[in-house]
Amino acid sequence: QSALTQPASVSGSPGQSITISCTGTSNDVGSYNFVSWYQQHPGTAPKLMIYEVSKRPSGVSNRFSGSRSGNTASLTISGLQAEDEADYYCCSYAGSSTFVFGTGTKVTVL
Amino acid sequence: EVQLVESGGGLVQPGGSLRLSCTASGFIFSSYWMNWVRQAPGKGLEWVANINQDGSDKYYVDSVKGRFTISRDNSLYLQMNSLRAEDTAVYYCARVSHYHMDVWGQGTTVTVSS
Repeated sequence: QSALTQPASVSGSPGQSITISCTGTSNDVGSYNFVSWYQQHPGTAPKLMIYEVSKRPSGVSNRFSGSRSGNTASLTISGLQAEDEADYYCCSYAGSSTFVFGTGTKVTVL
Repeated sequence: EVQLVESGGGLVQPGGSLRLSCTASGFIFSSYWMNWVRQAPGKGLEWVANINQDGSDKYYVDSVKGRFTISRDNSLYLQMNSLRAEDTAVYYCARVSHYHMDVWGQGTTVTVSS
């Protein structure tokens, strides 16, 4: 049950694209198509942005996309906007009905 | 409107107990697995426990096994015993839909301190 590894911070200018990585193991990210991503603004509850590696819930901008290669999942935000400044967490199903979150990434819009 | 509302947080001394509740509305609560997730001050999210639709299956993160108990009837609960300083956090309940958490409550704050 070790946390998935994410970079502590990622930054970009408005309009640019950024990618956040999420590295797990063959017991979680690498084994299941159940990686999700959550956005959290200060003082608020997390919000689902991506599920099942690359699917977007209704209402989430198509500027957000997800992918996975081996034990590493990624979240890409294209056309970065000021409102995207927030903390982002990946999460993977880890078997036996358990979940594991990533360490979190603070996204700063320069 | 689909909504989850947590309650029951507060200040408790080390070794003490607290029971959190999560009230659901706007969806068929009995059809979903439910998670508790916590976030210590300035830290990341941590999955704590979950329970299946009829309450017969329950799972916990290692650090709370034997101390916390998840349960449900028409609401979701988290009974927390033998509380430690490291249990200080905002506790969220979240609806589980196909292995992701699509609805979250606003959170309730638990502070363990003497």
